[in-house]
Amino acid sequence: NAGVTQTPKFQVLKTGQSMTLQCAQDMNHNSMYWYRQDPGMGLRLIYYSASEGTTDKGEVPNGYNVSRLNKREFSLRLESAAPSQTSVYFCASSGPTEGRLRHTEAFFGQGTRLTVV
Amino acid sequence: AQSVAQPEDQVNVAEGNPLTVKCTYSVSGNPYLFWYVQYPNRGLQFLLKYITGDNLVKGSYGFEAEFNKSQTSFHLKKPSALVSDSALYFCAVRALYNQGGKLIFGQGTELSVKP
Repeated sequence: NAGVTQTPKFQVLKTGQSMTLQCAQDMNHNSMYWYRQDPGMGLRLIYYSASEGTTDKGEVPNGYNVSRLNKREFSLRLESAAPSQTSVYFCASSGPTEGRLRHTEAFFGQGTRLTVV
Repeated sequence: AQSVAQPEDQVNVAEGNPLTVKCTYSVSGNPYLFWYVQYPNRGLQFLLKYITGDNLVKGSYGFEAEFNKSQTSFHLKKPSALVSDSALYFCAVRALYNQGGKLIFGQGTELSVKP
């Protein structure tokens, strides 16, 4: 059982380049999330998707776009990378928000360490 | 708005001593609270959660947490710390109502356990 898989694990970009971070989960979860982690700031939500076909902005969405390709996959795109986007990016997923299983915990991928120079 | 605060950036404990990592929260309504641990260069691992019921919640690796509604706190505890407990710990609260179950995190507390 792979859980949440992110690719790539490491990436170095030049300012202005674009890239897409990939995330896939095999737990049949409805909700998926993209967070960024910066020292002293905890994890901040970039975007989330409550279900297939829907996406919503989180706390720090500027400079990013997302696509919920299907129930399994949720990608994060940087159209024109900036040094301020140097961070560690985590994808996560969680189960239903209603019903008996609504309080299951979120599961995280191993992270993508992105450096923009 | 919902928020979580971890007042200590770092906690230092000697091996074998009890440890406490503090967390306070601000929510309207009943809180759903979580603790996660992050080892170096790894993702976050779930430790325990409080949804309802007993105020003392037991989790993985011997950790427990005490929910205190009057003090709006959810402190993480362990009776006897191990060097291998050294890691970054995050407290989180789940957003309520039509927000996809997203988690709002505190800034994290670095736990260092020395032999």
